[in-house]
Amino acid sequence: QVQLVESGGGVVQPGRSLRLSCAASGFTFSSYAMHWVRQAPGKGLEWVAVTSYDGSNKYYANFVKGRFTSSRDSSKNTLYLEMNSLRAEDTAVYYCARDGGYSSSWRYFFDYWGQGTLVTVSS
Amino acid sequence: DIVMTQSPDSLAVSLGERATINCKSSQSVLFSSDNKNYLAWYQQKPGQPPNLLIYWASARESGVPDRFSGSGSGTDFTLTISSLQAEDVAVYYCQQYYSIPLTFGQGTRLEIK
Repeated sequence: QVQLVESGGGVVQPGRSLRLSCAASGFTFSSYAMHWVRQAPGKGLEWVAVTSYDGSNKYYANFVKGRFTSSRDSSKNTLYLEMNSLRAEDTAVYYCARDGGYSSSWRYFFDYWGQGTLVTVSS
Repeated sequence: DIVMTQSPDSLAVSLGERATINCKSSQSVLFSSDNKNYLAWYQQKPGQPPNLLIYWASARESGVPDRFSGSGSGTDFTLTISSLQAEDVAVYYCQQYYSIPLTFGQGTRLEIK
């Protein structure tokens, strides 16, 4: 069965960096685009980034503004989100999610989600 | 960016009754080349990640009970639960995937009356 397990969250000071990981199993990781979606405490869902199945294409939300970088390592079946210059407003649960399409046929909706990892930006 | 607006923000429905949630996009999410509406619905129960219910505005995801249905086209969409069950208590979100950035509605909280 499809499993997505995020890790790497924690408490970090404003301006510092953090790297999140998402370990995937139960499907051919290298055949699916993967997304990051976040949810601030008590708030709604906010899309963050997508990386294509082969890592060659990436798109980001406007608020990322060059601070975040999504990448993947298919040899490890793992998706990453490198977050720099963190701000208090980046405090959220970060989910990784699988794209609903296959290979180059992206769909941009999310058919499987991980349980999420909490990032708290606070001094 | 496409703004997604859901109504109502919260809803209380009796068990066995119909629940209807609306979603309006700031521009059409109907792609003319394939005549598909790029609109999905998710259910999020407390303490859990979201779960995909509907995509292409009306296609039910595998394993989703048939009491859930989606309808609409262009800019106006509806998620209907035909006969509310206790396990349907959740927050529901619509999402457009017509263009980047992908955007969600603010969510509709569904409770039992």
